[in-house]
Amino acid sequence: DAGITQSPRHKVTETGTPVTLRCHQTENHRYMYWYRQDPGHGLRLIHYSYGVKDTDKGEVSDGYSVSRSKTEDFLLTLESATSSQTSVYFCAISGVAGSANEQYFGPGTRLTVT
Amino acid sequence: GESVGLHLPTLSVQEGDNSIINCAYSNSASDYFIWYKQESGKGPQFIIDIRSNMDKRQGQRVTVLLNKTVKHLSLQIAATQPGDSAVYFCAEFNDYKLSFGAGTTVTVRA
Repeated sequence: DAGITQSPRHKVTETGTPVTLRCHQTENHRYMYWYRQDPGHGLRLIHYSYGVKDTDKGEVSDGYSVSRSKTEDFLLTLESATSSQTSVYFCAISGVAGSANEQYFGPGTRLTVT
Repeated sequence: GESVGLHLPTLSVQEGDNSIINCAYSNSASDYFIWYKQESGKGPQFIIDIRSNMDKRQGQRVTVLLNKTVKHLSLQIAATQPGDSAVYFCAEFNDYKLSFGAGTTVTVRA
C-alpha cells in the first residue's frame, strides 16, 4: 500500500460522537486525500491537502473537517457522527514529480455509526 | 452528479479470454484518464493511465483506449486470469483531483 497506513482500521461509534481517522505516509508525498466509498458508488472525494496546513474541500465535505500539521499525517474528523457517515474511508497520496495523477491508496477504515 | 461512469456494473469472463471494460466520461477538459483495480477488502490500485492527447496506451496485459470523439474510455485485459477478478474503476484527473465512476465487477470463470 505504498507506505500508507490508516488507523483505526475498524471503528464502531454512536451518533453524535466525534471521530478522528488518521492517515500516515512514509513517502514524503505532497498531496493527500480522503475519500469515502459506499455501495453502488465509486470513491467520492471528501477533502484533500496540497501541503502542510493547506487543505481544500472535495465534493462531499459537509460534516467533515481535516488537518495536516505534518507532511506525513492527514487527519479526518467527523465532528458529530451521523448514520449517513457509515462508510469505508480511504486515504490516498500523490505528488511524485511527473506522476501527480497517480494516487496510491491506503487499506481503508471501515466506520459504522450506530 | 458524477461525470465519469461505466456502462455495465458486472462482467463475467471465461479464464483465458480477453476482457473489455467500458467507461463514458463527460468532462472533455480532463488531463488524464485512469483505471484502478480494487480487490475485496483492499484499497484501489493504480493500473494504467492515458493522457488526454493520446488514443492508446499499453501496459503489461492491459491496454487503455481513449475515444475523445464519443467521450469513451475502455480497458482491455488480455488472457484474463483468476487474479483479475475485482472491481474496476475509471477515473478522470483534473486539478490534482480524481473523479471516479461507480465501478464494474469482473468475475473470472474457471
